[in-house]
Amino acid sequence: AQKVTQAQTEISVVEKEDVTLDCVYETRDTTYYLFWYKQPPSGELVFLIRRNSFDEQNEISGRYSWNFQKSTSSFNFTITASQVVDSAVYFCALIPYSSASKIIFGSGTRLSIRP
Amino acid sequence: EPEVTQTPSHQVTQMGQEVILRCVPISNHLYFYWYRQILGQKVEFLVSFYNNEISEKSEIFDDQFSVERPDGSNFTLKIRSTKLEDSAMYFCASGTDSGLEQPQHFGDGTRLSIL
Repeated sequence: AQKVTQAQTEISVVEKEDVTLDCVYETRDTTYYLFWYKQPPSGELVFLIRRNSFDEQNEISGRYSWNFQKSTSSFNFTITASQVVDSAVYFCALIPYSSASKIIFGSGTRLSIRP
Repeated sequence: EPEVTQTPSHQVTQMGQEVILRCVPISNHLYFYWYRQILGQKVEFLVSFYNNEISEKSEIFDDQFSVERPDGSNFTLKIRSTKLEDSAMYFCASGTDSGLEQPQHFGDGTRLSIL
């Protein structure tokens, strides 16, 4: 099967807390790409990051960081010092090489940051 | 920064009517996609389009659906006889390649409501 699982349906934290969104993927391909998208209340999909299966280096972009672990098929996303504007639904997604062009999305995690 | 444009932002249609959702992809992009998101659920792939033909489609994309690139700039999704369950947000996306080397860029979506 080719799928993405986001076990956390909803997370609520107080502003300034750190929060980690989990993502576990499944694919039979050895080459694949992983993504995170943000969907704010306004509804659009905002691209955050893309990672290929050969690059396990973790990435940091400001308050955002991503931890890619092939051994556990996980691609977790951490927001440090969360802010109210981070409130959104976050989708983890996968493109397997054999199915290039079709993004497979997880079910999303709704993140609420309370002031 | 160039962006994918979708019109209308909200479409209300009577069940059984035909509806056309319009998208203007980014001008130098060659790959085009439609995705659907039923309210509160994950984003699902519908169809990809390259070189004036469908390159891949999901099981959702049945005979009621069709896509067309009628001119050099528009990319449309037509639903022939709408059903209540077609109510969803429809996202258009475009890319310079099949999505492996460069991320797909998403429009802001068209919310389709079937009455």
